Amino acid sequence: QKEVEQDPGPLSVPEGAIVSLNCTYSNSAFQYFMWYRQYSRKGPELLMYTYSSGNKEDGRFTAQVDKSSKYISLFIRDSQPSDSATYLCAISSDMNYGGATNKLIFGTGTLLAVQP
Amino acid sequence: DAGVTQSPTHLIKTRGQQVTLRCSPKSGHDTVSWYQQALGQGPQFIFQYYEEEERQRGNFPDRFSGHQFPNYSSELNVNALLLGDSALYLCASSDLNGRTYEQYFGPGTRLTVT
Repeated sequence: QKEVEQDPGPLSVPEGAIVSLNCTYSNSAFQYFMWYRQYSRKGPELLMYTYSSGNKEDGRFTAQVDKSSKYISLFIRDSQPSDSATYLCAISSDMNYGGATNKLIFGTGTLLAVQP
Repeated sequence: DAGVTQSPTHLIKTRGQQVTLRCSPKSGHDTVSWYQQALGQGPQFIFQYYEEEERQRGNFPDRFSGHQFPNYSSELNVNALLLGDSALYLCASSDLNGRTYEQYFGPGTRLTVT
């Protein structure tokens, strides 16, 4: 079983739609959850960063974490063609221990296409 | 404020050759992580450098090695290249000493092994 599972899509929606992107994870030790957006042939861009359970909102984006279900979501309201990209969820269990690392474990990414 | 930079942008090598990729972290960041992203996959963690030492390593063979310099920049070296090493190599930086754990990625180096 993979540590992080993400539906690869592709997901195609009309402009203005609400988009829901999801990941599940297997290890309850994971506490830090991130969403990255990656345009074709570019590096991932950090969108949202949350710790533990709950919701976090930033403009049209809302990140939601349900640790009891080991389920994380990213909602995009009023989607725009410029939102067309691959969305990657990333998780980590230990942001800093013993002066060491914050390794990220990524899902495979969901390809989103917003049609004008 | 300069973000994470990587060089070169693209690289084509032959099987068996060696390659060196370079990364400069975001200003103020002290930690550099390297990831490999195969086509259609999420990035896979290779290793991380902090205070010029390798702090953690993913499931990659010893052919993959790295270095961090006193100015926090980093290099990734891959020896005896295989076709399967063709991928986008991403560098990410963070500020471990400042307890800012978000990782910011560079644009990547696309390596093609023929």
